[in-house]
Amino acid sequence: GQQLNQSPQSMFIQEGEDVSMNCTSSSIFNTWLWYKQDPGEGPVLLIALYKAGELTSNGRLTAQFGITRKDSFLNISASIPSDVGIYFCAGLRSGTYKYIFGTGTRLKVLA
Amino acid sequence: KAGVTQTPRYLIKTRGQQVTLSCSPISGHRSVSWYQQTPGQGLQFLFEYFSETQRNKGNFPGRFSGRQFSNSRSEMNVSTLELGDSALYLCASKRGEDTGELFFGEGSRLTVL
Repeated sequence: GQQLNQSPQSMFIQEGEDVSMNCTSSSIFNTWLWYKQDPGEGPVLLIALYKAGELTSNGRLTAQFGITRKDSFLNISASIPSDVGIYFCAGLRSGTYKYIFGTGTRLKVLA
Repeated sequence: KAGVTQTPRYLIKTRGQQVTLSCSPISGHRSVSWYQQTPGQGLQFLFEYFSETQRNKGNFPGRFSGRQFSNSRSEMNVSTLELGDSALYLCASKRGEDTGELFFGEGSRLTVL
């Protein structure tokens, strides 16, 4: 099935560090969503973006809708151990009804 | 408000059997979509329903089917189970017909022996 390119695939960081990840596609999207998934649980919606250039924050998380509408970025500031998990992006193309998901970024935080 | 509810949470079946999974969307949400998640393949789209109509179907064999009821609750069925069907099956709902926030349930973990 179709998936978005998400990078990095995984990362180890020290507690307190900032984290950046991104999602790219060759297609134009009109909606980007970012999720966090803990083991054995369903993905939890973190941030939704609807306009090119839009920058939205949720606590220590900030996501941006790329100007080209083909990418999106997620930043986590001052990471803490509970940030551990898999982060997914999801994009929706105009005129379609199904979200396409990224391959995920596995984040591990070292205390 | 109550989130997306999936039942059962865990189940074990043997090859050749069939299984039915249930999903109750968030109240007021009319779109329900289903995904299969495995470690190697990530989140794979199965199908999406809106107002009882299937609008999109992923690249899965005909053994995978679904339906949506008038109260927006949805079920998916997998017949003639294979070992490779072992996965976490996730249901998600959203309010609108097109774009919007997509909310997931906890998933149904299926193990096929």
